[in-house]
Amino acid sequence: AQSVTQLGSHVSVSEGALVLLRCNYSSSVPPYLFWYVQYPNQGLQLLLKYTSAATLVKGINGFEAEFKKSETSFHLTKPSAHMSDAAEYFCAVTIPQTSGYALNFGKGTSLLVTP
Amino acid sequence: GAVVSQHPSRVICKSGTSVKIECRSLDFQATTMFWYRQFPKQSLMLMATSNEGSKATYEQGVEKDKFLINHASLTLSTLTVTSAHPEDSSFYICSASTSGGSTGELFFGEGSRLTVL
Repeated sequence: AQSVTQLGSHVSVSEGALVLLRCNYSSSVPPYLFWYVQYPNQGLQLLLKYTSAATLVKGINGFEAEFKKSETSFHLTKPSAHMSDAAEYFCAVTIPQTSGYALNFGKGTSLLVTP
Repeated sequence: GAVVSQHPSRVICKSGTSVKIECRSLDFQATTMFWYRQFPKQSLMLMATSNEGSKATYEQGVEKDKFLINHASLTLSTLTVTSAHPEDSSFYICSASTSGGSTGELFFGEGSRLTVL
């Protein structure tokens, strides 16, 4: 079955610094990959998704991620962190041909942005 | 973009009672809806997949008699937690897909926080 592993349950960056949240996937067939953000007591907001088109995916709020098959990675980056970026981030994977849009989520990474 | 609405957003109930959570797709028809459960500070775990007009498919370890899912229309799915106990306290999130296949889009509700006393 497909799965994702998020390295680092907590990441702390200074405001203005580069944000890098790591996600590695495991799948026997080409997957669809997603990054979601969750603010306290709220649902999920899609940041971006990879669906087998361009490997560099640009999302909302200045985030982007690159699908690297050789590294089985889909790391999330943002050049300059804002205080409002502090939240929980989830990487997720699915195989649409077999699972539809039933997502398997990583354990999440809590991003802290310091002044 | 498409909107998925959950109701109630928060519910507190006594142990032994049943609670129903609704998930509605407001401006599109959802052929497939998914129910997730999220414990505090943890990830989302898929509970079940429901397709309109058919029985839900439950993930391993999820009690189908305890978590009743009904997807009676293309815009509404309900999750009923029967005979709730404190260990059922959790954040429940639904998502809806416009298509069961790869051409569909996926949208999440705002979540419903259940607290069982």
